[in-house]
Amino acid sequence: EAQVTQNPRYLITVTGKKLTVTCSQNMNHEYMSWYRQDPGLGLRQIYYSMNVEVTDKGDVPEGYKVSRKEKRNFPLILESPSPNQTSLYFCASSSMPSGNTIYFGEGSWLTVV
Amino acid sequence: TQLLEQSPQFLSIQEGENLTVYCNSSSVFSSLQWYRQEPGEGPVLLVTVVTGGEVKKLKRLTFQFGDARKDSSLHITAAQPGDTGLYLCAGVDYKLSFGAGTTVTVRA
Repeated sequence: EAQVTQNPRYLITVTGKKLTVTCSQNMNHEYMSWYRQDPGLGLRQIYYSMNVEVTDKGDVPEGYKVSRKEKRNFPLILESPSPNQTSLYFCASSSMPSGNTIYFGEGSWLTVV
Repeated sequence: TQLLEQSPQFLSIQEGENLTVYCNSSSVFSSLQWYRQEPGEGPVLLVTVVTGGEVKKLKRLTFQFGDARKDSSLHITAAQPGDTGLYLCAGVDYKLSFGAGTTVTVRA
């Protein structure tokens, strides 16, 4: 079954405590990306990766880092989380950047207090 | 500001009624996608429309792409409670640009 798996699904953390949200896909997709979803703002892209070791900034990259050491994994790193990063985060993958079917993970609810 | 404007933001209707959701932009896209997102889950692709003026049907859902490829609409006929969810449009050029979504609630 085609899957994009994110962990953790729910997390409450404190300001400044580094955290990583993992993302893994089993479809051998080259393209992966991270989005955040906030009320009234829709989905905004944080970072994307066209392939292993190739990453680039999306629309709202500030405060985030990513890495793509393996094709299947694309972790999102918050080095020093702040309350304005409280959001619902989605990882997504597809065989191409756009136009093809994009598969989303189930989402990770992150609260920074 | 949102590249894609969706309207209305919220829509609550009775089972059996029809509804239309709109997605408008000042930009031209190579194609446009519609997604449905249910609580606790990620968005799921419903359809991709590619040609200006194109109409696609998916059971009771009808999707239309504007002639100028700047806008689109989603029409649901005889809505059912299972149609409840957040409907998102996304414009496609070199990447996806999402609208803020329309929350649709269908009451039994």
